[in-house]
Amino acid sequence: AQSVTQLDSQVPVFEEAPVELRCNYSSSVSVYLFWYVQYPNQGLQLLLKYLSGSTLVKGINGFEAEFNKSQTSFHLRKPSVHISDTAEYFCAVSEAGNQFYFGTGTSLTVIP
Amino acid sequence: EADIYQTPRYLVIGTGKKITLECSQTMGHDKMYWYQQDPGMELHLIHYSYGVNSTEKGDLSSESTVSRIRTEHFPLTLESARPSHTSQYLCASSPRWDYEQYFGPGTRLTVT
Repeated sequence: AQSVTQLDSQVPVFEEAPVELRCNYSSSVSVYLFWYVQYPNQGLQLLLKYLSGSTLVKGINGFEAEFNKSQTSFHLRKPSVHISDTAEYFCAVSEAGNQFYFGTGTSLTVIP
Repeated sequence: EADIYQTPRYLVIGTGKKITLECSQTMGHDKMYWYQQDPGMELHLIHYSYGVNSTEKGDLSSESTVSRIRTEHFPLTLESARPSHTSQYLCASSPRWDYEQYFGPGTRLTVT
């Protein structure tokens, strides 16, 4: 089974500053990679996904992520955060598109 | 916005009671999933289904059961609730040939 590591459990950042949320996964076989966002008392919403092709993936709300196969990483970035980006962010991996493995989440807090 | 619904949103129930958590989706998705989510932990897959009359157990051992009699409906049942079942339960669905999961808003269960 896959394992997904999100090293940063909490990330505080000032408004309009850049942010990077880190994600590493265990397997070197072909994988599908995802970032989800969860706002309080809501389910998860897909931010972006990597299935194949360009290693730089753009998602909603100005987020992007870069797939690095050699480092088995899929870090999420945003050049300028807003207060509304405060939420929990989950990285997920799937090998065959059926079962998904999630990280423990990173709580992003944007400070005014 | 995804059309996947969970009821109830919040439930407080006594030990030993039988409960059913409802999950419905109107997107015609073949694949459906149940996850358990605790604070600071990764989402754990407890059940999944690839279609009508198909159900499988996930990685996390669970005392719950599921059924998939209709494509749109994937209820989860606990025959005898215990305090250790206190958690948030998330339902998700996915089209047969896509790898994106759509999540419901979750059911927060408290067993006293």
